[in-house]
Amino acid sequence: AQKVTQAQTEISVVEKEDVTLDCVYETRDTTYYLFWYKQPPSGELVFLIRRNSFDEQNEISGRYSWNFQKSTSSFNFTITASQVVDSAVYFCALSEALETSGSRLTFGEGTQLTVNP
Amino acid sequence: GAVVSQHPSRVICKSGTSVKIECRSLDFQATTMFWYRQFPKQSLMLMATSNEGSKATYEQGVEKDKFLINHASLTLSTLTVTSAHPEDSSFYICSAPLTGGTEAFFGQGTRLTVV
Repeated sequence: AQKVTQAQTEISVVEKEDVTLDCVYETRDTTYYLFWYKQPPSGELVFLIRRNSFDEQNEISGRYSWNFQKSTSSFNFTITASQVVDSAVYFCALSEALETSGSRLTFGEGTQLTVNP
Repeated sequence: GAVVSQHPSRVICKSGTSVKIECRSLDFQATTMFWYRQFPKQSLMLMATSNEGSKATYEQGVEKDKFLINHASLTLSTLTVTSAHPEDSSFYICSAPLTGGTEAFFGQGTRLTVV
């Protein structure tokens, strides 16, 4: 069975601070995909990144960066110089890679990030 | 990019009535769609997998007679919450992958309140 753990339920920071959101996953699949989504109060899920299990290169996109460590089954997300608009719930998710599954996702519990001015 | 449209975005209904939620893939065909439910301050949990032209597959603990899923075309799946009760109040969100794809595109979600 697949499982995603986001141990941090809530994080509160002051604007311009860096913040890292942790994600640890469990899967028996050798091929899988990892995702991060942002969910603002409106509820819509905003796609941030997808990473496949064979690509352990870290990625940077503007103020966002992701650290994929297969050895520790972690896929952590860092926001540099946080802003108030970053306040949201962030979900880490895992999907099977089987074509027939069409990417059904297992979500973590989510981390509520609050960035205070 | 691929777009999935979900309607309505918000609905309030009386206890005992039924509510239908639509999920449409606007610029691609989706033989499979997924329905998730999210209770306040909780994670998203997969409820069921909607399969075009065949019966939906429900996750353990989800009542198939209460949550009716119909996937009659390659671009539309509907979720009907029958005989809704206040405990069904939740955020329902659908997703659809491109055929053979590993990325899911999400609808905007539907916030259901049963009074």
